[in-house]
Amino acid sequence: AQSVTQLDSQVPVFEEAPVELRCNYSSSVSVYLFWYVQYPNQGLQLLLKYLSGSTLVKGINGFEAEFNKSQTSFHLRKPSVHISDTAEYFCAVSERAGGTSYGKLTFGQGTILTVHP
Amino acid sequence: DVKVTQSSRYLVKRTGEKVFLECVQDMDHENMFWYRQDPGLGLRLIYFSYDVKMKEKGDIPEGYSVSREKKERFSLILESASTNQTSMYLCASRESSVGGELFFGEGSRLTVL
Repeated sequence: AQSVTQLDSQVPVFEEAPVELRCNYSSSVSVYLFWYVQYPNQGLQLLLKYLSGSTLVKGINGFEAEFNKSQTSFHLRKPSVHISDTAEYFCAVSERAGGTSYGKLTFGQGTILTVHP
Repeated sequence: DVKVTQSSRYLVKRTGEKVFLECVQDMDHENMFWYRQDPGLGLRLIYFSYDVKMKEKGDIPEGYSVSREKKERFSLILESASTNQTSMYLCASRESSVGGELFFGEGSRLTVL
């Protein structure tokens, strides 16, 4: 079975500061990895995803994430945040073929990023 | 533009009532999902469907059932609502590829009194 742990439930940061949101996953097979964002009173939308190839993935709004297989991590980063980045961020994992959870997308608990002026 | 529409944004029901949450997608997607979202718990998968008339249990299926008679529509049913089912319910759809993006509806906030 697959699982996702987001290590921080809340991350406060000042505008223009860098930020890292941490995500670790567990799976018995190879995985696809995703970050989704939920702005206040809206549905979730995809920020970025890792399927294969380069371990550094770039997404929308200046975010990027790095897949680290040895540490089973997929941390999300942005070098300089804006007030508009205030939202809840979800890490998610999906097993490739062969896993018992094949087809499912499992989400972490979410990290609330609050950007202060 | 991709669109996933959930029929009700807010519902208030009484304990023991039967509740239907409807979800429609206009993208001809094979896969559809129902999640519930609770603070501190993230999104938890209730059921998903690979295709018409097919369904698979997610991580928390107890107390729920689903129906997918047409490709574009995926319904979540609470046979006898209970207060612990008060939550935000999110529907999503995806093309058949497991690595594909999920497209979400705006959610249905259900309160069971």
